[in-house]
Amino acid sequence: DVKVTQSSRYLVKRTGEKVFLECVQDMDHENMFWYRQDPGLGLRLIYFSYDVKMKEKGDIPEGYSVSREKKERFSLILESASTNQTSMYLCASRNGLTYNEQFFGPGTRLTVL
Amino acid sequence: GDSVTQMEGPVTLSEEAFLTINCTYTATGYPSLFWYVQYPGEGLQLLLKATKADDKGSNKGFEATYRKETTSFHLEKGSVQVSDSAVYFCALISSNTGNQFYFGTGTSLTVIP
Repeated sequence: DVKVTQSSRYLVKRTGEKVFLECVQDMDHENMFWYRQDPGLGLRLIYFSYDVKMKEKGDIPEGYSVSREKKERFSLILESASTNQTSMYLCASRNGLTYNEQFFGPGTRLTVL
Repeated sequence: GDSVTQMEGPVTLSEEAFLTINCTYTATGYPSLFWYVQYPGEGLQLLLKATKADDKGSNKGFEATYRKETTSFHLEKGSVQVSDSAVYFCALISSNTGNQFYFGTGTSLTVIP
């Protein structure tokens, strides 16, 4: 069974902390994505990666960075967490060669106090 | 640019009622179209897809037909169940969007017994 896993389901951090959200996929997918999901706004793309060590900004990259050192792992970093980054964070991956589906992880609900 | 517009929610239906969630798209290329479902507390999972005009995607009693003439991909189910309560997202990907999916804002469905 294909799987995208995220390191935490729930996370509580304080303003100013550095936060790491980890995502791992076992499908050997080239492409990986980080979204945030907020009520009324749907899914917004933060960053994506086409391959190892490659990254591209999405629609809302400010305040975030990413790292992809291995094909199966894509990390989202909040350099200095702020309360407006309280959200649900979803990781996804897909085969880059086709226009087929993305597979999503279960999400991490991050609260920044 | 390419985009997806879907029906605002929330939608509340009685069990066994007929469901329609409207989705229209804007795309200059030839997109593939998807419906994703998000059950409470979970990530998104693919419900159905269609990759070319007049294709019908179907799964779990849900159906959607890719209509190029009306640029629509409306989701329907003849008889909803309480277990269908979830948030539904329409999405597209095309040669214009590269490797990026574009999602609608989601429609929340609650089915009451």
